[in-house]
Amino acid sequence: GEDVEQSLFLSVREGDSSVINCTYTDSSSTYLYWYKQEPGAGLQLLTYIFSNMDMKQDQRLTVLLNKKDKHLSLRIADTQTGDSAIYFCAETPNQAGTALIFGKGTTLSVSS
Amino acid sequence: DTAVSQTPKYLVTQMGNDKSIKCEQNLGHDTMYWYKQDSKKFLKIMFSYNNKELIINETVPNRFSPKSPDKAHLNLHINSLELGDSAVYFCASSQGFRDYVRNEQFFGPGTRLTVL
Repeated sequence: GEDVEQSLFLSVREGDSSVINCTYTDSSSTYLYWYKQEPGAGLQLLTYIFSNMDMKQDQRLTVLLNKKDKHLSLRIADTQTGDSAIYFCAETPNQAGTALIFGKGTTLSVSS
Repeated sequence: DTAVSQTPKYLVTQMGNDKSIKCEQNLGHDTMYWYKQDSKKFLKIMFSYNNKELIINETVPNRFSPKSPDKAHLNLHINSLELGDSAVYFCASSQGFRDYVRNEQFFGPGTRLTVL
């Protein structure tokens, strides 16, 4: 069945890099996503990666995809206190109308 | 210019009551979704509609009934509310059935339902 796994917590100091890891099981997933949820707020799409890519960089964010191991990671460079949030990895087969399968979310705590 | 909006933002009610949550999107999307986020922040799909037609109906009690009067609206009606229904409910929308289009979903701000 479909399942997405993430570690639940990550603590870093301001200015350090954060790496959030995710493993997924559905090999038909064409797109993989990272969503951010700040306290009391909805979900904001941070970035995504197409399954034929290994890496995608977007300003402070770097997404790495190892399709063989079904492993996805999100690296946040120069982490700031404003990055404190829950980060969700999500997969969906490239079939519009199919729901996102979310991981349980990684709570990132950034201390100054 | 809110893309996906939900009302109400907070809903506090007694067990046994019937309540509705409304969702509207102004993105011109064909597909809309309801997700439930429990107290541990776990997000799970409940329903999905495409052009007013139900296409995903996960294992959700019959007390939950989605209604889509048009493709810009997807409402969620809940009968005989139970304590376990307390959660945050998120509405989302995406473009719909097109080949090779990234199925980016846009989320509403959520409705926090508390059943007493």
